[in-house]
Amino acid sequence: DAGVIQSPRHEVTEMGQEVTLRCKPISGHNSLFWYRQTMMRGLELLIYFNNNVPIDDSGMPEDRFSAKMPNASFSTLKIQPSEPRDSAVYFCASSPKQQRVASTGELFFGEGSRLTVL
Amino acid sequence: KNQVEQSPQSLIILEGKNCTLQCNYTVSPFSNLRWYKQDTGRGPVSLTIMTFSENTKSNGRYTATLDADTKQSSLHITASQLSDSASYICVVSAPTGGFKTIFGAGTRLFVKA
Repeated sequence: DAGVIQSPRHEVTEMGQEVTLRCKPISGHNSLFWYRQTMMRGLELLIYFNNNVPIDDSGMPEDRFSAKMPNASFSTLKIQPSEPRDSAVYFCASSPKQQRVASTGELFFGEGSRLTVL
Repeated sequence: KNQVEQSPQSLIILEGKNCTLQCNYTVSPFSNLRWYKQDTGRGPVSLTIMTFSENTKSNGRYTATLDADTKQSSLHITASQLSDSASYICVVSAPTGGFKTIFGAGTRLFVKA
């Protein structure tokens, strides 16, 4: 079975450029999460969707970050304009049968997109 | 403030030896606690999950324990293998409004031949 698929795996860009990261969740999972991982801060939740609707975007660092989920099988995380401090590994994860209020669901992570902003 | 603290930060052991990783949390109320394994360059993968009423859970050579009274969990690895070299992340979920999952910083384990 295919897991969570992320692209690109690696992205090197220059400061000021737009970056778009893509995610295909596991079929049938109705919750999707974007995380950022750095050595200093570990894994941080940026935003999560339930049934394609953004539920909590309080982790999105700035207006430069935006995320969309136009359908159940695709999501994007966009950074515009990018800055060197955005360099990190961005993970997408999905979870089955997530409830809005309580959560016991396992997170299934993709392999991550390593972003380097010069 | 809800926190999850793990120790040690890193650990080096010889192949075949046992080790125990610690996780202390202040998350309250508490829904469940998971241990994830993250290999270098890969995404985290769930090893075990425990709810409030469970105090031990095994997955092969991995055994997790939970003391909900003291808010402590441990992950014990038996007869370590080179493939156990990875980061181990303790994750606590709270049943508050919305999805509240707090990640520990992880313990980096190195298993040497």
